[in-house]
Amino acid sequence: AQSVTQLDSQVPVFEEAPVELRCNYSSSVSVYLFWYVQYPNQGLQLLLKYLSGSTLVESINGFEAEFNKSQTSFHLRKPSVHISDTAEYFCAVSGRGAQKLVFGQGTRLTINP
Amino acid sequence: GAVVSQHPSRVICKSGTSVKIECRSLDFQATTMFWYRQFPKQSLMLMATSNEGSKATYEQGVEKDKFLINHASLTLSTLTVTSAHPEDSSFYICSASDTQGPGGYTFGSGTRLTVV
Repeated sequence: AQSVTQLDSQVPVFEEAPVELRCNYSSSVSVYLFWYVQYPNQGLQLLLKYLSGSTLVESINGFEAEFNKSQTSFHLRKPSVHISDTAEYFCAVSGRGAQKLVFGQGTRLTINP
Repeated sequence: GAVVSQHPSRVICKSGTSVKIECRSLDFQATTMFWYRQFPKQSLMLMATSNEGSKATYEQGVEKDKFLINHASLTLSTLTVTSAHPEDSSFYICSASDTQGPGGYTFGSGTRLTVV
């Protein structure tokens, strides 16, 4: 079975500052890792995912995450945030070959002007 | 890209009535769909996995008779909340396993259910 821990329930940052949202996972098998974003009263949108290969994955809107197997982490980073990045961010994991996604508790990112 | 349409987006119903939520894959066939429940300011809790043409697999603690899931076609899964009560009020989200390679999931936009 897999589990995900997002270490911060809320992260407030100023606009144009860098941000890191932390995610650690636990699994006895190889995994796929995901970051999703959720805006108020909406479903989830995939930001990026790690399946295999390069441990650094990037999204089209400037976010990136690095898979660190030794530390079982998949932290999400952005060098300069914008007001529009205000949302809830969920880290998720699934076992390879399995289909169920297991979500972390979520991190609310708040951008202050 | 893959799109999942979920309807309705909001519904208010009286206690004791039933509510049906639809989840459709618009441009791909989804043999597997997932239903989640999300409480305010909390994470998504998987309720059940829906497979086309077979019975849904419910997670531990989810009442099968309360939350009826039907996946009659490769593009449609429905969740019916039967005899709804105020404690069933929540945000329900579906997702489908899409065709974009391993780890491909597309989420619906969610349904806000309020039982009064």
